Amino acid sequence: DVKVTQSSRYLVKRTGEKVFLECVQDMDHENMFWYRQDPGLGLRLIYFSYDVKMKEKGDIPEGYSVSREKKERFSLILESASTNQTSMYLCASRERQTFNYGYTFGSGTRLTVV
Amino acid sequence: QKEVEQDPGPLSVPEGAIVSLNCTYSNSAFQYFMWYRQYSRKGPELLMYTYSSGNKEDGRFTAQVDKSSKYISLFIRDSQPSDSATYLCAMIASNFGNEKLTFGTGTRLTIIP
Repeated sequence: DVKVTQSSRYLVKRTGEKVFLECVQDMDHENMFWYRQDPGLGLRLIYFSYDVKMKEKGDIPEGYSVSREKKERFSLILESASTNQTSMYLCASRERQTFNYGYTFGSGTRLTVV
Repeated sequence: QKEVEQDPGPLSVPEGAIVSLNCTYSNSAFQYFMWYRQYSRKGPELLMYTYSSGNKEDGRFTAQVDKSSKYISLFIRDSQPSDSATYLCAMIASNFGNEKLTFGTGTRLTIIP
């Protein structure tokens, strides 16, 4: 089974801090995604990547950046954390050359910015 | 208007009942449809995947797609307490290889023993 591992389950950070959320997948998937999940708003796409060093903006990229230096690792960076970035962050991956669009998700990182 | 609308619930039904979960969408370009199940404090997991109108069955679960009405459903037969979770519909208008999945907001389901 594909495994997507997010480095932290819970994080508490202060306003203005630079925050790194790490995601690693172990099945050589090309496509990787970062979502945030908020009550009443569902999952919203922040950024995605379809190859090493490639990135595409999702629907809500403001205040975030990403890094993909290796195929298995996709990092989400909050340049200067703010309280409105308190959320559940979910990483996902998918094999690119297939019509199966089922994503494999990690267990999520619940980030609280105080 | 959101591209995908899903009743947030919560929905509570007795064990053994048939559950119907629904989503409507407005983007006629959506071609592939999925249902995810998300347990509390976990990431979503893929439950059903379909790309054609009609029904697809997998055990106690049936996914139904009506592209003419832009309406999808998930039916759960003989519901069990272990089915208690949030169910998310998702869909995509494929630009093969590089894509964005659009999710519904999720319906929270509780099966009462």
